[in-house]
Amino acid sequence: GAVVSQHPSWVICKSGTSVKIECRSLDFQATTMFWYRQFPKQSLMLMATSNEGSKATYEQGVEKDKFLINHASLTLSTLTVTSAHPEDSSFYICSASGRVPAYFGAGTRLSVL
Amino acid sequence: EDKVVQSPLSLVVHEGDTVTLNCSYEVTNFRSLLWYKQEKKAPTFLFMLTSSGIEKKSGRLSSILDKKELFSILNITATQTGDSAIYLCAVDDNNDMRFGAGTRLTVKP
Repeated sequence: GAVVSQHPSWVICKSGTSVKIECRSLDFQATTMFWYRQFPKQSLMLMATSNEGSKATYEQGVEKDKFLINHASLTLSTLTVTSAHPEDSSFYICSASGRVPAYFGAGTRLSVL
Repeated sequence: EDKVVQSPLSLVVHEGDTVTLNCSYEVTNFRSLLWYKQEKKAPTFLFMLTSSGIEKKSGRLSSILDKKELFSILNITATQTGDSAIYLCAVDDNNDMRFGAGTRLTVKP
């Protein structure tokens, strides 16, 4: 079946640093990739939708200058959390959709100290 | 505003019970409704529903969609402790994949 690889799975960083998370579709071309954030015991919250070669569409309340999304190819999207702060600590999950259903990466747990 | 609402938010049952999870939605350009199971990490896909009235079945799980009333149900029969998880409903509205809040199912021995 389709596989989506997300890296890293876990990252700890100091406040003020930037963290890049990669999402790759391994055996299919993902025309659209979604980035979600999940707090403990809560559901996935859509942050942004990105289509290959175009700017990401951000959900209301998500700062596009803080959460930079790049979808440069049909197999790779990146989310960069810039100047991370402790409140950015969360579980970030990407999903890639060439065709529905979307397939998920394993997620990245970000801890900002 | 597009939205996906799941109920109940939490459910505790005993092994062998049958459960029904609900998902209602309001989206502009409905394309499909999907059910996922989330245990420790990323959600795993269960069903995709596009047409009304056609039941999808996989083992003890089944699901059906009503596009007129804008809802779907996920049934789990003869529940087992391994069914304990968060069950997520998502709607593909031709541009985004929006999730409901999820139903946290706990199956006790």
